[in-house]
Amino acid sequence: QVQLQESGPGLVKPSQTLSLTCTVSGGSISSGGYYWNWIRQHPGKGLEWIGYIYYSGSTYYNPSLNSRVTISADTSKNQFYLKLSSVTAADTAVYYCARGYYDRSGNYPPGEWGQGTLVTVSS
Amino acid sequence: DIQMTQSPSSVSASVGDRVTITCRASQGISSWLAWYQQKPGKAPKLLIYAASTLQSGVPSRFSGSGSGTDFTLTISSLQPEDFATYYCQQANSFPYTFGQGTKLEIK
Repeated sequence: QVQLQESGPGLVKPSQTLSLTCTVSGGSISSGGYYWNWIRQHPGKGLEWIGYIYYSGSTYYNPSLNSRVTISADTSKNQFYLKLSSVTAADTAVYYCARGYYDRSGNYPPGEWGQGTLVTVSS
Repeated sequence: DIQMTQSPSSVSASVGDRVTITCRASQGISSWLAWYQQKPGKAPKLLIYAASTLQSGVPSRFSGSGSGTDFTLTISSLQPEDFATYYCQQANSFPYTFGQGTKLEIK
């Protein structure tokens, strides 16, 4: 049973870079057939897809955040990462990492999620 | 981006009731539609994908239907643990987008 766990600072100052790590256990991020996601939820609000990375290293970012987002992975540590630059209060949210599988038909929605980590942007 | 609109935004129901939630996409998404359940302080839980396929371990009282732009989630007989917020999500084209949520409350 794969498990995902987010970690990183809970408080980030405006204009700085938010950095989060998702540690995966019970499965390898380098195995084919899966894509690895970052999704966020503003307090009391809905869900927003930030982006994802395939095991090949290919990445896809939400255009609304594209210029500020970087998702990367370290297969030796079985971790993947989120960096979001130039943050403002609008980036305050619970950040989730999640795993979905894909096949030739397309990407299937994530069935495994981390518990989420609240990141507050404030001076 | 594809906009997903759920209705109602909230619904009150009793244990044993049948409840239906609808989701409409701003353009056709074939069957690339998922439903999630979220409880306070928890991550979303995948219930249904490909519009009507039940995720492993999800009770059979949950069902989904639809294709194109109009979809429904039905809970056939509400149980106490079903009171939560439900989201639809399209996986037809990136950025994947969610509906605004439907809060299912106890009457």
